[in-house]
Amino acid sequence: AQSVTQLGSHVSVSEGALVLLRCNYSSSVPPYLFWYVQYPNQGLQLLLKYTTGATLVKGINGFEAEFKKSETSFHLTKPSAHMSDAAEYFCAVSDRNDYKLSFGAGTTVTVRA
Amino acid sequence: EAGVAQSPRYKIIEKRQSVAFWCNPISGHATLYWYQQILGQGPKLLIQFQNNGVVDDSQLPKDRFSAERLKGVDSTLKIQPAKLEDSAVYLCASSREPGTVNEQFFGPGTRLTVL
Repeated sequence: AQSVTQLGSHVSVSEGALVLLRCNYSSSVPPYLFWYVQYPNQGLQLLLKYTTGATLVKGINGFEAEFKKSETSFHLTKPSAHMSDAAEYFCAVSDRNDYKLSFGAGTTVTVRA
Repeated sequence: EAGVAQSPRYKIIEKRQSVAFWCNPISGHATLYWYQQILGQGPKLLIQFQNNGVVDDSQLPKDRFSAERLKGVDSTLKIQPAKLEDSAVYLCASSREPGTVNEQFFGPGTRLTVL
């Protein structure tokens, strides 16, 4: 089964600063990779996904992530944080055979004015 | 299009009581998932349906949890009897087609508190 590790359970950034959320997966075969966002009292919403092709993936709300096979990583970034980015972010992986999602523990982002 | 609907949004029960959650997926979505999200953790898949058949229930505690998806549309998840460790958010998700890396669309969840 796939597993994913998110480094840092909480990240605090100033408004306008870079947002960097780290995600590493454990698999000898590159899986499908996803980032989801969860706002308070809401379900998860897909930010972006990597399946194949270009390793730099752009998503919604100005987020992007880069798949690095050599580092088994899929870190999420946004150049300039907005107050509305305050939420919990989950990295997820799925096997290329069964498509089942395995989630990391999540990283809570707070944005300081 | 309407999103995934879940009810109730919140439920508080005492241990050993029973509880049921309801999910209505996005129209036309063949695959339906139930996840358990314990505070501080990521969602964990409990059961996956394709139409009205079970694809994977390997993580479902079958001595107390049950789920069904009659007619391949709505689904219910039941816990009987509940334990303190069942306190969590139960998320329902659906996706369009099985066997592909389709996006899963999530409902708002049901927050269960077991006292």
